[in-house]
Amino acid sequence: DQQVKQNSPSLSVQEGRISILNCDYTNSMFDYFLWYKKYPAEGPTFLISISSIKDKNEDGRFTVFLNKSAKHLSLHIVPSQPGDSAVYFCAARSGAGSYQLTFGKGTKLSVIP
Amino acid sequence: DAGITQSPRHKVTETGTPVTLRCHQTENHRYMYWYRQDPGHGLRLIHYSYGVKDTDKGEVSDGYSVSRSKTEDFLLTLESATSSQTSVYFCAISVGEYEQYFGPGTRLTVT
Repeated sequence: DQQVKQNSPSLSVQEGRISILNCDYTNSMFDYFLWYKKYPAEGPTFLISISSIKDKNEDGRFTVFLNKSAKHLSLHIVPSQPGDSAVYFCAARSGAGSYQLTFGKGTKLSVIP
Repeated sequence: DAGITQSPRHKVTETGTPVTLRCHQTENHRYMYWYRQDPGHGLRLIHYSYGVKDTDKGEVSDGYSVSRSKTEDFLLTLESATSSQTSVYFCAISVGEYEQYFGPGTRLTVT
């Protein structure tokens, strides 16, 4: 039973345009959500996060939106750059006091120059 | 850089042999984790630790054991490696209550 779903295995975007990566979840106990970026042959790196009490968090070119009623979050990258080409993982925390994260399967973003 | 190292970085071993992977952190964080990453599966939790000698199972713990005798080291052991355990293994630590930070990974091939 997959609790965090990234339904698009891959996404291609032109440089300078917006990239939108989507993530759906099923567990209503998730209270914190994170996005990680992973380059080949490296470990995942933390990118941006959002608490369930917010609906938007912004950090430079990266914005995460959370729609709790739809159990959906998205990562927007504007403008997209070739260096953004990587695999992006969505992750969720199972409530206060839990230190475990549940990850999606990832979306491979390719930004075309 | 969260001060996490993993060793070895690459290993090729034969089916049936024992294998131990090491994760070392320099910042005395309490929580440590072992994940495996496989195509089509994302990151799956194998085991985690919440202190010295305190460990618990994750989603895919069968065939793996862990030990943590010092705060800074978390060992993952495959008692008898199988081809299905060919994967990339990542160690992670919790920094604060939310984020986890990952090591560079170990690529393990079981032939």
